[in-house]
Order: sequence, then structure tokens, then C-alpha cells
Amino acid sequence: EAQVTQNPRYLITVTGKKLTVTCSQNMNHEYMSWYRQDPGLGLRQIYYSMNVEVTDKGDVPEGYKVSRKEKRNFPLILESPSPNQTSLYFCASSPSGANYGYTFGSGTRLTVV
Amino acid sequence: AQSVSQHNHHVILSEAASLELGCNYSYGGTVNLFWYVQYPGQHLQLLLKYFSGDPLVKGIKGFEAEFIKSKFSFNLRKPSVQWSDTAEYFCAVKQGDTGRRALTFGSGTRLQVQP
Repeated sequence: EAQVTQNPRYLITVTGKKLTVTCSQNMNHEYMSWYRQDPGLGLRQIYYSMNVEVTDKGDVPEGYKVSRKEKRNFPLILESPSPNQTSLYFCASSPSGANYGYTFGSGTRLTVV
Repeated sequence: AQSVSQHNHHVILSEAASLELGCNYSYGGTVNLFWYVQYPGQHLQLLLKYFSGDPLVKGIKGFEAEFIKSKFSFNLRKPSVQWSDTAEYFCAVKQGDTGRRALTFGSGTRLQVQP
């Protein structure tokens, strides 16, 4: 089944403790992206990757890192999480052509206390 | 930077009522337009999309949307809603004439359908 898989689904952590949210897709998509969803703000892009070893900042990159060493994986790293990073995070992927929408993962609900 | 506006934040309808959710965007060039739906506790799913051609686009579950270029709008419609349509709906826009692949989302509209 074609899908984007995120782990974990739920995570509660403490301020300053490094964490990684994994994202993997099995569709051979070139483009991958991370979004955070907050009430009343919709989805805002954190980082994206056009292909392996090619990443760039989205609209709200502060406090996050990403890497794209393999085509299928695009982990999101929070080096020192803070409470304002409490949010619902979605990974998404799409083919490289212009006329495609995204396939979204199931989401990761992160709480930083 | 482009923006997407969804003016209805929370809509409450009775079953069988007609639905129209507004979406306006700011980008003046070629656009690709999307509506996504998020059922409670789930991820976003594509309802419909517009890239070119007929500005009236039909999607899944009886939804349709009309692209009006002169109004920078892409409103979502359904003639008769069901209780199962209770969800949050997001409009999204991609610049179609640049290399950018990013989707810019509106803030969402929460639809509550009462039986």
C-alpha cells in the first residue's frame, strides 16, 4: 500500500531533550515536506526536500532540523524542544512534477512540557 | 509571500443543507488549487484539485469546487451535506509556474453537521 509512515504517533517530552520524528514513504517520491498544524493557523511548512541531500527552509524552520540521506526517509529533528513546539506534525510527499498533490502521513502529536 | 484565506472558521449545518466554503488566495500567477479534508483524529485527505481546464472541478463524496480566476477564489460546494461530512476542511494553493512545490494552506474551516 502506498503510504507515508510517521513515528511516533504521540510523544510527550521535556524541554531541552533532543528528539527525532521519523518519516518514510514507499512511493519513490522526490519531494518531501514537514508541516505543523496549530489551531486557527492551518498547516505551516517547516522544511522541505526536493531530493536526496537537497533540503530547504519553509515558513517556520526555527528550532528544527532535517536531513535527507535516502530518498524514502525525511526525519524531523528537534535539538532542544521548547513548549512552543507543542503541535501536530505532518510529513508529506509528492512526485516532482508540478501537477501533483501531497500524500500525508497520519501525524505526530508532540507535547513539550 | 502568497496567502490563502478561509473566511468561515466554523460552520454548523443541518443534514441535507447545502454547503459552500470560501477560499481566496493572493498569488497572481498560475496556481494549482486543492481542497483537503481532515476527519477527527485523522490525517489530511485530498478531496479535489484543479490544475487547468474546466474551472468546475468534481471531487470525491459529492464535493465540487469552482475556480474563478478574476476573484482569486476556489470555493468548495456540496448540495446536500451528511453527518459524516463533519470534519475540518483546508484550502491549499501551489504556485504552478515556479519551481516551488510548497503548498500554502488556509487556516481551515471546521464543519459540524447536525443530524
